[in-house]
Amino acid sequence: EAQVTQNPRYLITVTGKKLTVTCSQNMNHEYMSWYRQDPGLGLRQIYYSMNVEVTDKGDVPEGYKVSRKEKRNFPLILESPSPNQTSLYFCASSPLRQPSPYEQYFGPGTRLTVT
Amino acid sequence: GQSLEQPSEVTAVEGAIVQINCTYQTSGFYGLSWYQQHDGGAPTFLSYNGLDGLEETGRFSSFLSRSDSYGYLLLQELQMKDSASYFCAVSGPNQGGKLIFGQGTELSVKP
Repeated sequence: EAQVTQNPRYLITVTGKKLTVTCSQNMNHEYMSWYRQDPGLGLRQIYYSMNVEVTDKGDVPEGYKVSRKEKRNFPLILESPSPNQTSLYFCASSPLRQPSPYEQYFGPGTRLTVT
Repeated sequence: GQSLEQPSEVTAVEGAIVQINCTYQTSGFYGLSWYQQHDGGAPTFLSYNGLDGLEETGRFSSFLSRSDSYGYLLLQELQMKDSASYFCAVSGPNQGGKLIFGQGTELSVKP
């Protein structure tokens, strides 16, 4: 089954404790992205990657890191989480149709709480 | 910069037709996408308009007017399962690989 998977689905952690949320897709998509969703703010892009070893900042990259060493994986790293990073996080991938990645496939989401 | 505006809430009855509008301001524009999200679940892609006019996919249609910086999603023969949030999103040459989402419209379908 074609899908985007994320782990963990739920995570409660404490301020400052490094964490990684994994994302994997099995559709051979070039493009992958991370979003956070907060009430009333819609989906805001954190980072995206157009291909392996190529990553770019989205609109809210502060406090996050990403890497794209393999086409299928795009982990999101929070080096020192803070309570304002409590949110619902989505990973997405896209076949990068021209002219833009307008058709994205989303993972099930990771609900992160930082206390 | 870029901004999108859509109504925060819309209510309609089962079997009716509802239109969700989206106006955008972007520096450079490729097209307008629409996504559906049920109650905190994964957003799913509905449609894309790169050219002016109407795109139809079953009960859902999407329209774009580039000259008016405006689009809409039209849902016909509404069903209870259509109750969800709907997001418009724009992409353009000045956004690189970004997809910029609106804040979403929560559609409630009543019996």
